[in-house]
Amino acid sequence: DAGVIQSPRHEVTEMGQEVTLRCKPISGHNSLFWYRQTMMRGLELLIYFNNNVPIDDSGMPEDRFSAKMPNASFSTLKIQPSEPRDSAVYFCASSDTGGYGYTFGSGTRLTVV
Amino acid sequence: SQQGEEDPQALSIQEGENATMNCSYKTSINNLQWYRQNSGRGLVHLILIRSNEREKHSGRLRVTLDTSKKSSSLLITASRAADTASYFCATDANDYKLSFGAGTTVTVRA
Repeated sequence: DAGVIQSPRHEVTEMGQEVTLRCKPISGHNSLFWYRQTMMRGLELLIYFNNNVPIDDSGMPEDRFSAKMPNASFSTLKIQPSEPRDSAVYFCASSDTGGYGYTFGSGTRLTVV
Repeated sequence: SQQGEEDPQALSIQEGENATMNCSYKTSINNLQWYRQNSGRGLVHLILIRSNEREKHSGRLRVTLDTSKKSSSLLITASRAADTASYFCATDANDYKLSFGAGTTVTVRA
């Protein structure tokens, strides 16, 4: 298994532009999580999907952030419009029983200038 | 919000020494997990300990859990240069969401 695959690995964009981050979870895992990591705030859970359905999006910071999971093998996190304070590393993680040992992707380092 | 808090924030040890780091949390948990993150990489799951367990071993790792004190410790024995990383505790409060602490940065000197 290739693990959780995220793309792109790095993204540099200008303020105001739309950014889309992508994630392919491990096949068979029914839970998917998007986290954001910064030096100041550490790891923050943004949204949690179970069986492709968003269960908890209370961590999504603003309406500028949206996430979808159209099927069991793909999820996106979109920021529109992006702002410099969105600069962070965004991780996708998946799990087969919800919380029992997550498998993380390598992350997308987003820089908004 | 971060429920777990690791202590110390940073730790520097000589190769071959043991490294101990602690995690405190605030609410009741279903289980507690430890993860490792190498620089520029994603987190890797190390070990999970359930709320009814007190101690668990995995290779050179030993984890303890004291639910009365709401604390856990991770011991890495006979450290190696490859153990240099940040270590995070994460708590599952039975709502399938993991809350991560701020992490302990461990540097193993050759």
